[in-house]
Order: sequence, then C-alpha cells, then structure tokens
Amino acid sequence: DGGITQSPKYLFRKEGQNVTLSCEQNLNHDAMYWYRQDPGQGLRLIYYSQIVNDFQKGDIAEGYSVSREKKESFPLTVTSAQKNPTAFYLCASSSSTGASPLHFGNGTRLTVT
Amino acid sequence: AQSVTQLGSHVSVSEGALVLLRCNYSSSVPPYLFWYVQYPNQGLQLLLKYTSAATLVKGINGFEAEFKKSETSFHLTKPSAHMSDAAEYFCAVSSQNEKLTFGTGTRLTIIP
Repeated sequence: DGGITQSPKYLFRKEGQNVTLSCEQNLNHDAMYWYRQDPGQGLRLIYYSQIVNDFQKGDIAEGYSVSREKKESFPLTVTSAQKNPTAFYLCASSSSTGASPLHFGNGTRLTVT
Repeated sequence: AQSVTQLGSHVSVSEGALVLLRCNYSSSVPPYLFWYVQYPNQGLQLLLKYTSAATLVKGINGFEAEFKKSETSFHLTKPSAHMSDAAEYFCAVSSQNEKLTFGTGTRLTIIP
C-alpha cells in the first residue's frame, strides 16, 4: 500500500535536546510538507520541499530544520531553539500542482519537558 | 493572499440529523477547495475537493459540499449524521500558485 509513514508515534525529550522526526513516503510525490498542530490553531506550515535538495521555510520555521536528500524522505529536526516544541507534528506529500490534495501521515506527538 | 474561515469551532448534532459545517474562503484567483477529516491522534484524510469542475462535489462517507462563488463559501453537509462522523473537520484553500491554507477546524460531536 502506498502511503506516508511517520515515526515514532510518541516522542518524549528533555528541554535543550534536539530531536528528529522521521517521514517517509512511497507515493512518488515530488512535494513534501511539515505541519505543526496545536489545539484551536489548525495546521501551521513549518517547512516544505518541492524537489530533492531544495526546501523553503513555511510560516513558523524558527527553531526547526529539514533536509531532502531523497525523494522519499523529509526528516524534521526540532532544535533546542524552538521555544515551545510540544505539539502534534504532521507530515504530508502531494503532486506538485495546487489542485492536488495532500496525503498525510498519522503524526508524531512530541512532548518536551 | 488567501484565507479560510470556519464558523463554529464546535458543532453538535443529533444522530440522524443534518450535518452542516460552514467554510468561507478568500482568494484573489480561482480557488481549489478541500475538506479534510481528522480522527483523534491521526492524520488528516481527504473528504472531497473542488477544482473548478461541478460546483456540487460528492465525497466519501456520504458528505458533499457546494461551491458558491457569489458567497465565497464551501459548506460541508451530510443528510443524516452517524456516530462515526464524530471527528474534527478542516476546510482548506489553495490555487495554482499558492500552497494550501487551512482553517482552524470544527469539532463535530454526535449526540446519541
């Protein structure tokens, strides 16, 4: 089955530690996205990538970093500079056109204490 | 610039009653419009999309939405609510040159 796999589903870290969230897709999609979801705020775009070895900042990129070395993979690193990292993180992919819907993974819930 | 407004962060309906979730959009160019559903601790799943074909769009699970350009609306409806419809619903807009913008979501509760 084609889809997007995010791992792990739950992640716990101490404040001050960097943490990397995994996202892999086998849909052969060019574009991949990372969103952050907080209660009552909908989804906010962190980073996106439309082709391999290229990515752009979204609306809330501060304190996050990404890489896109392979078409299938788009890992997100939450750095210690992110002031409020506890959230639900969603990865998505799509064909590159605006009419194409996003396909989402099942998310990673990150808790930082 | 584009935006989406979902009226009502929480909506409750009785089982068997009509479901109506409201979405208004703002876009300076012809929009693409989407409705997604999210069950607890899961990702979003596409319900339906409008991409400039028929204005009445049918989706999965008995949902449909009508694009009304004059009202800049794309409300989601289902004639008869089922307990399994309890979830959070997101409206979203994009265009040929814009990324997807999501509304803040509407949590639907079904009363037995």
